[in-house]
Amino acid sequence: KNQVEQSPQSLIILEGKNCTLQCNYTVSPFSNLRWYKQDTGRGPVSLTIMTFSENTKSNGRYTATLDADTKQSSLHITASQLSDSASYICVVSPFSGGYNKLIFGAGTRLAVHP
Amino acid sequence: GAVVSQHPSRVICKSGTSVKIECRSLDFQATTMFWYRQFPKKSLMLMATSNEGSKATYEQGVEKDKFLINHASLTLSTLTVTSAHPEDSSFYICSVTTGGTEAFFGQGTRLTVV
Repeated sequence: KNQVEQSPQSLIILEGKNCTLQCNYTVSPFSNLRWYKQDTGRGPVSLTIMTFSENTKSNGRYTATLDADTKQSSLHITASQLSDSASYICVVSPFSGGYNKLIFGAGTRLAVHP
Repeated sequence: GAVVSQHPSRVICKSGTSVKIECRSLDFQATTMFWYRQFPKKSLMLMATSNEGSKATYEQGVEKDKFLINHASLTLSTLTVTSAHPEDSSFYICSVTTGGTEAFFGQGTRLTVV
């Protein structure tokens, strides 16, 4: 069964600190892996998209890594800000599927405190 | 990227009534839109694929007679929750893909059935 597991479920950090969120998946083969940020009561917004051949991709203070051999991805947030408080969702698109085959993780809820 | 707008953002309705949620693609003609449901602290779950000018494709376990989808134009898809019950209370999100690898989500609609 294709699954996407994220850890930790929730995380609290102080403003200015760095943090790393983890995503393990069993989807294989896959087309791409995405990280989204979802503010409370809002729809997800894309942060990064990586194909299976990419190892890292950055978007400002967000850096995603991908290890296709171990089927793991991480999202690193540097110099956190209060506005980073949100859920971060890892999404995998299977190789054979269309967009309706996106597989979502449950997300990591990040709280950044002053 | 595509701009996707949902309306309303929040709605409260009485049990047994019907509620219509609109999803508009403001700057992109979308032949396909997707409807998701998200329960608290859970993943987004695909409900159905909305196809312009034809019937929607529903995921297994989703009642098509309860969740009516209409995609009458390239910029508008509607989801109607018929005879709503408290267990239908959830966060409903639509998305649009632009032909590439990116998916754009609406801001979501919080439905509360009392």
